[in-house]
Amino acid sequence: QKEVEQNSGPLSVPEGAIASLNCTYSDRGSQSFFWYRQYSGKSPELIMSIYSNGDKEDGRFTAQLNKASQYVSLLIRDSQPSDSATYLCAALYNFNKFYFGSGTKLNVKP
Amino acid sequence: GAVVSQHPSRVICKSGTSVKIECRSLDFQATTMFWYRQFPKQSLMLMATSNEGSKATYEQGVEKDKFLINHASLTLSTLTVTSAHPEDSSFYICSARDLSGGGQPQHFGDGTRLSIL
Repeated sequence: QKEVEQNSGPLSVPEGAIASLNCTYSDRGSQSFFWYRQYSGKSPELIMSIYSNGDKEDGRFTAQLNKASQYVSLLIRDSQPSDSATYLCAALYNFNKFYFGSGTKLNVKP
Repeated sequence: GAVVSQHPSRVICKSGTSVKIECRSLDFQATTMFWYRQFPKQSLMLMATSNEGSKATYEQGVEKDKFLINHASLTLSTLTVTSAHPEDSSFYICSARDLSGGGQPQHFGDGTRLSIL
C-alpha cells in the first residue's frame, strides 16, 4: 500500500470558521489527489480533485497541492454543522489505483 | 441515481460461511473495479483490483484464496469471502471507474456491512 497520511483528529471548529485538513503522501509517482467526505456507515463522496500544483476552488472548498512537499490540503470556509464528517484524502497511483489516508474527523459546532 | 449498485447491504452469518458480494455498474461499462475493506475508524484499504476477463490483482497481504474475485462481465464483479471468520467482519466497498470521460474518478457502491458471528 502506498502511504497517505492524515491526522485522525477530531478537528473541532465553530460554525462559520475555516476548517483546514491536511494530508501527506509518500509516493512521488502519484498523479492526482482527491478529497472525499464520508459519513458513518456510508460510502465516500467526492468533494474535490486536484492534479496540478497550486489552489483549486469550488464553492466553499479549496484544495491545495504542493508536489515538491508531497502535501495536499483542503480548506472549508464558512463551516456548517452539516460538514461534520470524516474527510479522506486519496492519491491516484499508476493511473489506476487509489490509496486512501485514514481520514480526519471534523466536528463543526453550532 | 446510483451508478454502482452493491448487494447485499448487510450480511450477518455464522463463522465458516462463504459470503458473496456483488458490484454492478448500472449505466457504464467498467473494465476495472476495485474492492476495499474498511474497519471501524480506519481508512479504506484497497484489497484488490478486479479486471474484466482476467485475474484480479491483489494488494500485498490480501489472501487471494480467501477473497475470491470474479469479473466475468463489463458490468459485474463479485467478491466471495470464503469460510468467513469473525476477523473478516468489516465494511466492504466496491468502486468502478467510468473511463468514458469526465465526472467522478471512481463511483462507489453503498458498501456491504459484513458481520460474522
